[in-house]
Amino acid sequence: AQSVAQPEDQVNVAEGNPLTVKCTYSVSGNPYLFWYVQYPNRGLQFLLKYITGDNLVKGSYGFEAEFNKSQTSFHLKKPSALVSDSALYFCAVRAAGNKLTFGGGTRVLVKP
Amino acid sequence: GAVVSQHPSRVICKSGTSVKIECRSLDFQATTMFWYRQFPKQSLMLMATSNEGSKATYEQGVEKDKFLINHASLTLSTLTVTSAHPEDSSFYICSARDNTGLSYNEQFFGPGTRLTVL
Repeated sequence: AQSVAQPEDQVNVAEGNPLTVKCTYSVSGNPYLFWYVQYPNRGLQFLLKYITGDNLVKGSYGFEAEFNKSQTSFHLKKPSALVSDSALYFCAVRAAGNKLTFGGGTRVLVKP
Repeated sequence: GAVVSQHPSRVICKSGTSVKIECRSLDFQATTMFWYRQFPKQSLMLMATSNEGSKATYEQGVEKDKFLINHASLTLSTLTVTSAHPEDSSFYICSARDNTGLSYNEQFFGPGTRLTVL
């Protein structure tokens, strides 16, 4: 079985400061890893994905994530957070041929 | 980019009525579509996987006779909530998987449908 853990329900950060949203996963085989963002009453917007290759993945809106196989982590980062980054963030994983499994979500609040 | 639309975006209905939600992939063909349900402040829970031209596969605990799924074409899947009750009120999100081009295996999500059953 595959699973995703997002240990923080909420992350608070001041505008301009670095933002990190944590994600660890468990999957059999090589993982496909994804980050999505959700704004209120909206669907999920794709941020970035790791399939293979370079461990550091760059995505939309200045976000990036680092795949760490030994720690089974895929933390989302942004060097300088904006107030508009305040939203709900989901990490997701799947192995080839499997369904996508989501973490519980982390609410990010960026204060001006 | 790949776009998935849902219609309606919001629906309010009386208890006992049926509601149909449409999910369309606008610029790509989706052999597989997924239906999720999201309760307030919670994650997405997969309800069923819809494959074009075949019966949907439902997750454990999801009533297939209550949540009817039809995937008649490569760009359209529908979810019908039959005899809706207040406990069916939720945010329903569809997703389509692009099996062509550079976005192979990636899922794209619709904007969601807010269902309120009175």
